[in-house]
This record gives sequence, C-alpha cells and structure tokens, in this order.
Amino acid sequence: QVQLQESGPGLVKPSGTLSLTCAVSGGSISSSNWWSWVRQPPGKGLEWIGEIYHSGSTNYNPSLKSRVTISVDKSKNQFSLKLSSVTAADTAVYYCARDRRAAGWFDPWGQGTLVTVSS
Amino acid sequence: QSALTQPPSVSGSPGQSVTISCTGTSSDVGSYNRVSWYQQPPGTAPKLMIYEVSNRPSGVPDRFSGSKSGNTASLTISGLQAEDEADYYCSSYTSSSTYVFGTGTKVTVL
Repeated sequence: QVQLQESGPGLVKPSGTLSLTCAVSGGSISSSNWWSWVRQPPGKGLEWIGEIYHSGSTNYNPSLKSRVTISVDKSKNQFSLKLSSVTAADTAVYYCARDRRAAGWFDPWGQGTLVTVSS
Repeated sequence: QSALTQPPSVSGSPGQSVTISCTGTSSDVGSYNRVSWYQQPPGTAPKLMIYEVSNRPSGVPDRFSGSKSGNTASLTISGLQAEDEADYYCSSYTSSSTYVFGTGTKVTVL
C-alpha cells in the first residue's frame, strides 16, 4: 500500500524559503494520481496548498499561489514544496497526501512535519 | 476561496447520533459530488472517512454516513462511541480547480 513521508527543516527564518519533500513508497508517483500538500497551523484547521501530477501540471491555492512552487522528481519517486517569503503565519504542520482528483479525496496522508518560522 | 462552514463543536452521549453540517456555495459543494470527510484525533494525521458525498472506504464503520443537499453536505455518526471523539473536516473540489476544507468540528462524546 502507498505510504508517504515528509522531510525537511523544522525551523525556517522569516523571509526565507520553506522547503519540504514527500517520499512516496509502495507505489509509483507516475500512477494516475495527483499529489497534494496541506497545512495546519497549531490549533487551527486544514488549508489546501496545492497539487501536482507526474507530468508536472500544478494547481495552487489562490491565496498562496504567488509564493508556492510544487515540483515532482519521478526518478526519486517524490514531490516537493517550496514556500517563499515566509512569516510566522506560515508556522504549521505540513502534510503531503495522495490526491484522487477525479473523485476529490485525499488518502493516504503522511504523518506530517512541523515547520516553525522564527529567527 | 473561503473555508466551508462547519459548527465548531457537537456532542452526544454514547449510542446517540450526531450530525455535522458543511456549508459551501454553488461554486463548490453545490456543484460537485467531490465532497469528502476526514477524522483527525489529536496529534494525528487526518483519515479519510467519506468520499464522493456518501461512500465509505474499506475499514470505515457503517456508523459513518454522508449526504448532501444543495450547498450543504452532512456527516452523521450513528451509535456514537468514545473512539469517535476527534476533529472532523469536510472538503470539496471547487470550480477554480482547487480544493477547500471546512472550518472543522470537534466531536465530544459525553
């Protein structure tokens, strides 16, 4: 079964760039799925960040679009998130998830990784 | 895009039923059956409970059911159990080719 695992720095300085990677195991990232990033600030709700298909096609949350880049590395069976010009408001647990776009659901999810923006 | 509206909290005694609403617009919930629900116990990742409005993934108890009417989707938990205590979120595909989540509902088992 497909499993996802996020990795990356847990601390990013304000105005810097947050970079995370999601490794996919138990299945190919080139299958007929999209792959999403979702975040959750401490004590708050879920926010969809964006998604990518193995072809490189992307869709982003309009509120984050100017700062977000999602990319895919098929050779490593992983996809990545970059969020630029971060502030304390970007402090959150970041999740990656398989995205069944045709049916509109996310499953499975990675365990999540906390990224704190602080100097 | 604005978050879908859910009640902050609902509660019920063991064995009772509770229903969580998820209100959107004609640009999301009202136009697509791509509505899903997630359960999130404290400190854990969300878990898919309902997809395409009313379908249950394998392994999800049939106590969980979903429905939709107009711009509002609903999740009902029948025969509430202590293990159902968690936060629940709805999600919908939108006409902008994006997704939006609900504000989240805390379910408390009294």
